[in-house]
Parts: sequence; C-alpha cells; structure tokens
Amino acid sequence: AQSVTQLGSHVSVSEGALVLLRCNYSSSVPPYLFWYVQYPNQGLQLLLKYTTGATLVKGINGFEAEFKKSETSFHLTKPSAHMSDAAEYFCAVGGRGAQKLVFGQGTRLTINP
Amino acid sequence: ETGVTQTPRHLVMGMTNKKSLKCEQHLGHNAMYWYKQSAKKPLELMFVYNFKEQTENNSVPSRFSPECPNSSHLFLHLHTLQPEDSALYLCASSQPTGLNTGELFFGEGSRLTVL
Repeated sequence: AQSVTQLGSHVSVSEGALVLLRCNYSSSVPPYLFWYVQYPNQGLQLLLKYTTGATLVKGINGFEAEFKKSETSFHLTKPSAHMSDAAEYFCAVGGRGAQKLVFGQGTRLTINP
Repeated sequence: ETGVTQTPRHLVMGMTNKKSLKCEQHLGHNAMYWYKQSAKKPLELMFVYNFKEQTENNSVPSRFSPECPNSSHLFLHLHTLQPEDSALYLCASSQPTGLNTGELFFGEGSRLTVL
C-alpha cells in the first residue's frame, strides 16, 4: 500500500524567499516519487520525478527535491520564489509494478510581493 | 499537437441533460485515466483503462459512463448529473500500468458546472 502526506495545505512566502513544500510518503515497494504543479484552470504538469539513482533531483523552473529514504520524505525546494510560482503543488508516489499513482492533497503556494 | 487534449474546456449542463467529455492523447500511450478534482478535495481517480480495457472503477456512480474505443481516445458520458458533480475533470495517460514509472501526462481539464 502507498500513501502521501503533504504538510500544509497552504504555504505563503515572500518573493525572493526560499520555497519549501513538504511531502512524506509511505510505500511497501521502492518508491517512485513525483511533484506536479497545477496553475489555475489547468491540468497537472510534471515538475520533477525520482525513480532510481541520484537522490537530488532537479526539475523545471528552478525547483529541486531530495529523496530521503530514512525520513520517507521528498520535499520540494526552490531557493528564490517568483510570483509566477503561485500555484497548487501535488506530491505523488508510485513504484515499479504499481497500478497507479497516489496523490497527496496538494499545497497551495502563494507568493507575496 | 499537445500531448493530451480535452474538449470541451468548459461545460454547463442541467441535471436532465446528456453530454460527453472527450480526451485524446498523441503520446503513444496505452493507459488512460479520468480524475475528478473538486474544490477543497483531493484528486479522485475515477476510471483506468489499459489497452482499451477498463481495469479500475473506483465506485463511480453509474451516471458517469466511460468509453475507450481505442488507446488514443477516452470519453466520459454524463447523464442525470447532480450539482455536486460540478468539478474539474482531468484526463491523463501513461505507458501501461505496472510496466513504467507511473508518470502521468495530464490534459488541461474540462470544467463542468451542473445547474
């Protein structure tokens, strides 16, 4: 069985500040982990993913995430927030042979000028 | 052509109407999905198709009827809906489930309003 918990349904940061969105997962198989972003009235777009190999994964728009097996975490970070980063972010877990991705409940990121 | 295309983008219907949502993918995938996204609720997986065969139905009411005529097209037929069915309906595709990383490719969604 797999599950995802995103800590904080709403995160607010100032423009130029560090963005940190938290994701913890549970998986009975080696996990594949994903972050998706959703802008208003649009579908979900893949930001980055971890399957195997390097645990620090870089994605689009300056985001990165680090897989920490010991902490069962896959937190998303960006050093300097931009107004265009305002969106909803979803963490998801899958795995080799998994039938589907399991999504977290989402975190809405607001950027203050 | 974008990867996954959904039409219409917006739909308003009465409770007695019959309408359909369409999804088309140009990625050569063999798995397709319908998700429901309501305000302040998590993403809800509704249906999964692999190689045109339905492999998952998450206790979706029968007023939602999916159809997958081929691996590139997916429909969601709607009839006698309720106002609580108003939501963003997202289509996604992937390589066959169980044989890939699970990465999903989403369309832009169809915003449904039931009056």
